[in-house]
Amino acid sequence: DAGVIQSPRHEVTEMGQEVTLRCKPISGHNSLFWYRQTMMRGLELLIYFNNNVPIDDSGMPEDRFSAKMPNASFSTLKIQPSEPRDSAVYFCASSLSGGANTGELFFGEGSRLTVL
Amino acid sequence: EDQVTQSPEALRLQEGESSSLNCSYTVSGLRGLFWYRQDPGKGPEFLFTLYSAGEEKEKERLKATLTKKESFLHITAPKPEDSATYLCAVQAKGYSTLTFGKGTMLLVSP
Repeated sequence: DAGVIQSPRHEVTEMGQEVTLRCKPISGHNSLFWYRQTMMRGLELLIYFNNNVPIDDSGMPEDRFSAKMPNASFSTLKIQPSEPRDSAVYFCASSLSGGANTGELFFGEGSRLTVL
Repeated sequence: EDQVTQSPEALRLQEGESSSLNCSYTVSGLRGLFWYRQDPGKGPEFLFTLYSAGEEKEKERLKATLTKKESFLHITAPKPEDSATYLCAVQAKGYSTLTFGKGTMLLVSP
């Protein structure tokens, strides 16, 4: 299996622009997570989907952030408008049954976002 | 609110010099504690799951242990390829999400 695939790997944009990050989970996995990683705050959960349905979005910072999962093989995280404080590495992870059995999440390589 | 605190933030070892990383946690009913390894520019990679106090897991030069308040990741005779950031995470009972600590950055010099 190719693993979790994220795109783009790097994104540099200007404040106020819309940013869309994409994720393809591992085939057969029914849970998908979006995390954000910064030096100051570490890995923070943004949103969790199970069977394509958002279950926990309490980590989404504000209305500028939105996430969708239209089908089992694709998810997007959108930031509109972007701000410099959104600069971070955004990770997508997938698992079976939310990792409830082993806690084993499979992470992508991340999308590094820089907002100027 | 679940909390995970890892120490030290950074650790430099000589090759062969054994040491331990600490993960202290507070959680309303622990379902599992997890260790991950993260290489620069990569996503975290799963290492271990521990479910109850007294449990131990081993993988090559790594051994993870768990008490009711903390977990240790013991590294025996480390090699340069063990250099990475090690992340600890907890999962509360009834929840599917993990809460991560900020990690310990380990550098092993030859």
